[in-house]
Amino acid sequence: QQPVQSPQAVILREGEDAVINCSSSKALYSVHWYRQKHGEAPVFLMILLKGGEQKGHEKISASFNEKKQQSSLYLTASQLSYSGTYFCGTEGSGGSNYKLTFGKGTLLTVNP
Amino acid sequence: EPEVTQTPSHQVTQMGQEVILRCVPISNHLYFYWYRQILGQKVEFLVSFYNNEISEKSEIFDDQFSVERPDGSNFTLKIRSTKLEDSAMYFCASSAQGNYGYTFGSGTRLTVV
Repeated sequence: QQPVQSPQAVILREGEDAVINCSSSKALYSVHWYRQKHGEAPVFLMILLKGGEQKGHEKISASFNEKKQQSSLYLTASQLSYSGTYFCGTEGSGGSNYKLTFGKGTLLTVNP
Repeated sequence: EPEVTQTPSHQVTQMGQEVILRCVPISNHLYFYWYRQILGQKVEFLVSFYNNEISEKSEIFDDQFSVERPDGSNFTLKIRSTKLEDSAMYFCASSAQGNYGYTFGSGTRLTVV
């Protein structure tokens, strides 16, 4: 089942913050976050496995809610290099290690 | 840093022809995947491969598709009789273990004419 991402697109000025959400109607086994720049492959950012988990660095971090149905990616003090499409990928609660289903993506544009 | 290598980077083929897309995953990774992305759209799961067999496949991965790991290093996707709608960017990915992130290759852009 495909996760729902929001917003579809966001435009920031350098230094501003953004939050990207990824939600599912059912509990998930895990959530992955990837960034894809135009014409390139998706690049892994982080994976969250536990309900209530928060992970990441100061400027790019993510959380997974207690019910494991929603994850948010936080981009703080954005830089031009953050521009790209952000995808969440989810694994169902069956614990499959074999299939990641991606959301439709959030296009983030950071302007000077 | 280790990377996943895909060849060719771009392939143009006539409808009905067979194509083989090649991938060399990271050497100590155990899980292998093929995904595709139609221009500007989401990344779609095709198939996963573990322990020398298919673990899961999507409804897209019908009898026209097959995967092989012929020699312990290469991982190939074959499309037997290509259709126009198979035109997409095909990404190979690998992961070390089940709860690890995926490393994607740079993709093969397949154009069916």
